[in-house]
Amino acid sequence: DTAVSQTPKYLVTQMGNDKSIKCEQNLGHDTMYWYKQDSKKFLKIMFSYNNKELIINETVPNRFSPKSPDKAHLNLHINSLELGDSAVYFCASSRDSAGTPGGYTFGSGTRLTVV
Amino acid sequence: AQSVSQHNHHVILSEAASLELGCNYSYGGTVNLFWYVQYPGQHLQLLLKYFSGDPLVKGIKGFEAEFIKSKFSFNLRKPSVQWSDTAEYFCAVDTGRRALTFGSGTRLQVQP
Repeated sequence: DTAVSQTPKYLVTQMGNDKSIKCEQNLGHDTMYWYKQDSKKFLKIMFSYNNKELIINETVPNRFSPKSPDKAHLNLHINSLELGDSAVYFCASSRDSAGTPGGYTFGSGTRLTVV
Repeated sequence: AQSVSQHNHHVILSEAASLELGCNYSYGGTVNLFWYVQYPGQHLQLLLKYFSGDPLVKGIKGFEAEFIKSKFSFNLRKPSVQWSDTAEYFCAVDTGRRALTFGSGTRLQVQP
């Protein structure tokens, strides 16, 4: 019944590795997002997709590549992981990209630790 | 670019005290405003939101917020906090750019 689900919940990996985080929403929303929360709890948008099209691509290293196979899924692949990538990554979705009254629904987060 | 400021970084209150957390944003156009709460180790949950209409909005768990357009503010209030309100609180703004811009968060610690 989870509305926005992310896997894995925790991810510990070594520098230089490549990893993926998956996100799925069962709300029928059109837009999905990835946000990064750093160690100081600051949340920042990374990407957004609307109906599988990339809408927002903030200043994120190109080691990060989002992929949306369909509008219910938005995965995040990270190449050549660095220590600074350690953070909590939140997936979110909304009914449309204009932020209608339905608001945004967040997943439970993936805590990535790079060692 | 728009920004959101939360001036209270860490607030410590005793149970039953009243709470007001400040939020100011910088954007001259129409905005949608949100407050989210993040309990320790958990995801973000929506407390309340403002899109239009009555500037005083009521949310879950006894929280409310008032949108004052002239002050570009959307402060969060609760008349009497409980220990279970201990959490991180985030103000966020949607200016129609298709994503939320968050403030830096306020850590609320309620002492029993």
